[in-house]
Amino acid sequence: DTGVSQDPRHKITKRGQNVTFRCDPISEHNRLYWYRQTLGQGPEFLTYFQNEAQLEKSRLLSDRFSAERPKGSFSTLEIQRTEQGDSAMYLCASSVKRDWQFFGPGTRLTVL
Amino acid sequence: GIQVEQSPPDLILQEGANSTLRCNFSDSVNNLQWFHQNPWGQLINLFYIPSGTKQNGRLSATTVATERYSLLYISSSQTTDSGVYFCAVGGSNYKLTFGKGTLLTVNP
Repeated sequence: DTGVSQDPRHKITKRGQNVTFRCDPISEHNRLYWYRQTLGQGPEFLTYFQNEAQLEKSRLLSDRFSAERPKGSFSTLEIQRTEQGDSAMYLCASSVKRDWQFFGPGTRLTVL
Repeated sequence: GIQVEQSPPDLILQEGANSTLRCNFSDSVNNLQWFHQNPWGQLINLFYIPSGTKQNGRLSATTVATERYSLLYISSSQTTDSGVYFCAVGGSNYKLTFGKGTLLTVNP
């Protein structure tokens, strides 16, 4: 098994721009999760997919955030009109059933 | 939601020493994982341990679900053990709730 992959690894953008991140889960993992981690804190849950269905969204996920998982494979997380407060590490994880969640390397976003 | 508290927040050791990290949680859980976050931010799975005891080399973990705590033991620590250790728990839903972590520094 290859691990969870995320692209890009780093993204620097200007305030107000839109950004999109991609996550490829471990093959045959039907559950996919997005988390956000700010400096000095543990990761915080953003949203969760089972196959292509988005089953839960955190209140952290404002209207500027949208996530998709077409065909139940890879997922994308888009942030519109980025703000400096969006600067963080965005982590993706996948799992089978309620088992180990395996995390990708993350995308570090810096909003100038 | 579930609250997770980790202690100590910081720990400094000499190489070769042993240590115990603690994770307390506020409700019954279906999932508990320990992670080591390396300097590049990658979360490395250590244990999936909602209950019981497991060992992997110099590391072992024990979760007492009825008393809502878990312990991570590191024996004969090495400089490469340095980093942040996170405990994360999952309840009846699927999301993990993380503690704030323990920053471990192992000096040569």
